[in-house]
Amino acid sequence: AQSVTQLGSHVSVSEGALVLLRCNYSSSVPPYLFWYVQYPNQGLQLLLKYTSAATLVKGINGFEAEFKKSETSFHLTKPSAHMSDAAEYFCAVSASNTGNQFYFGTGTSLTVIP
Amino acid sequence: DAMVIQNPRYQVTQFGKPVTLSCSQTLNHNVMYWYQQKSSQAPKLLFHYYDKDFNNEADTPDNFQSRRPNTSFCFLDIRSPGLGDAAMYLCATSPANRVYEQYFGPGTRLTVT
Repeated sequence: AQSVTQLGSHVSVSEGALVLLRCNYSSSVPPYLFWYVQYPNQGLQLLLKYTSAATLVKGINGFEAEFKKSETSFHLTKPSAHMSDAAEYFCAVSASNTGNQFYFGTGTSLTVIP
Repeated sequence: DAMVIQNPRYQVTQFGKPVTLSCSQTLNHNVMYWYQQKSSQAPKLLFHYYDKDFNNEADTPDNFQSRRPNTSFCFLDIRSPGLGDAAMYLCATSPANRVYEQYFGPGTRLTVT
């Protein structure tokens, strides 16, 4: 079975500072990994995805994530935080051996301090 | 633009009064999903359709039903909403050749009074 752990339910960064949101996964087969962003009272918007191609994945809004198999991690980063990045971020994993069902982490709420 | 549409965005219903939430898609995807997301929690899968094949999660309450009359539309019916059913309901779709990807609608916020 697959699972995802997001370390830190709340992260605060200053505007212009590095954003690092952590995600570790567990999967018995090669996983597909995703980061979604959710603004208040809105649905989930796909930021980026890893589907077994390049391990460094670039997404929208300047975000990127690196798949590290040895560390079972897929941390999300952005070099310089913007006020508009304040939102809830979810990491998710799916895999072929479980019918590609999505398993979401519990989410990380990002606050950007002016 | 191809997209997943949910109506209404906000729905208020009374305790015990049946309610239906709607999802439509212009992506022509084979798979459609319904998730329940309670405040400050991750989305929880309720069920999904692969074409007309219905797949219910084991812990989805019987109070929740779904219909998919055609490829484009999928409905979530809550037969007797309780206060605990107040949540954001998210619809998502996947293409048959990339079922590991999901595309989400904006969600419907359900309030039960």
